[in-house]
Order: sequence, then structure tokens, then C-alpha cells
Amino acid sequence: EAEVAQSPRYKITEKSQAVAFWCDPISGHATLYWYRQILGQGPELLVQFQDESVVDDSQLPKDRFSAERLKGVDSTLKIQPAELGDSAMYLCATKDSGANVLTFGAGSRLTVL
Amino acid sequence: GEDVEQSLFLSVREGDSSVINCTYTDSSSTYLYWYKQEPGAGLQLLTYIFSNMDMKQDQRLTVLLNKKDKHLSLRIADTQTGDSAIYFCAERGQAGTALIFGKGTTLSVSS
Repeated sequence: EAEVAQSPRYKITEKSQAVAFWCDPISGHATLYWYRQILGQGPELLVQFQDESVVDDSQLPKDRFSAERLKGVDSTLKIQPAELGDSAMYLCATKDSGANVLTFGAGSRLTVL
Repeated sequence: GEDVEQSLFLSVREGDSSVINCTYTDSSSTYLYWYKQEPGAGLQLLTYIFSNMDMKQDQRLTVLLNKKDKHLSLRIADTQTGDSAIYFCAERGQAGTALIFGKGTTLSVSS
């Protein structure tokens, strides 16, 4: 069964350092989402891509977060500098055009010390 | 803005039925979803329902939608210990928009 691949699964960093997360979507899935899930909360959208274009980044803290999907396939989410409040699970999800269902990756757990 | 609310915790005994409830505010929601999350893992789609339906059944799962009251429920029949997890309700508004999730309901199943 096709999967959304994410790496790293776990990342521990000190505040003010830079971190990056990578997502490889299911082949052919044009829509890609990055969600952040703080412990005890539901996922919240950070950014949505359609192919290589950003569709919605209204909730992305752009002073420290950036996301790209240069060739419309895999995507990178970067945080610089990391803050204590960024500790969370970062989830990538992808969707085929016209489909109604998102498929999530296993997530990247970030701990900022 | 749009909001999705769920009760935070449900405890049942093995073999009983579980009912997890959800309310949402966006009257233009087109699809509503139930996802399951086990500890340290991503979200697994359980089922979803189109807004013009009022019920959907899939093996042990039954989804009921009351569009007038903006109320969605998930019933799990013959609940097993392996069903212990966090269950998220989510709604999608207009086509092309992202899913909005509730805070999740933790289901605890005791044997």
C-alpha cells in the first residue's frame, strides 16, 4: 500500500537552532499539506500546496517557518530559529486531485530544549 | 471561523458499543471524516461521509450525520481493546480547502 514518507521521525534540538522536515508524497498526489499537532490537540494546518504552488499559508508563522515544494513532488518544512513552543508533531498529508481523502504520514516529532 | 468540537474522553468495556460525538459550525461543509490516531503515530482514515447523506455503515463502524444540528457521531460496535486510541472528527468546507480537525476524543477500552 502506498505511503506518505516523512523524515526524521524524531528530532531533538536546542532553541535557536534550525530544523528541517521532509515529506515524500504518494506518487501522483498533487495536493500536499503540512499540519502541526501540539500534544493533546488536533492537527492544525500550516501550509497547503497544489503541485509546486502555495494555496494557503495563512497560518504559517512566516517569521520563522518556511515551506517549499520546488518540483511539485517532495516538500521540506523548515523552522529557524526553533522556539520551545514549536515542540509538536509535524504531519504531512497528501491527496490526489479530485479525491476526497487525505493520507497522512507517520509524522515527525520535534522536541525543542 | 470554522470550529469542530468533541468530547475529550470516553471509557467503555470490551464488547460494548462506543459512541463518539462531534459538532461543527461550518454549514457549507461538504465532507466529514473520522480519523484514528494511535500513540506516536500519524492519522489513519476510518471513514467519511458526504454531507447529503445521513448515515454510512462500514463493518463495525456506523456514522450518523444530522446536518440540521451540525452533529456527527461515530458508533463502534463490539469495541475491542485494539480500538483504544484518539479519534478525530474533521470537516472540509469548499472544494480545495484543507480539513479542520477537532481536538480528539480519547477512547479507553477495558477488558
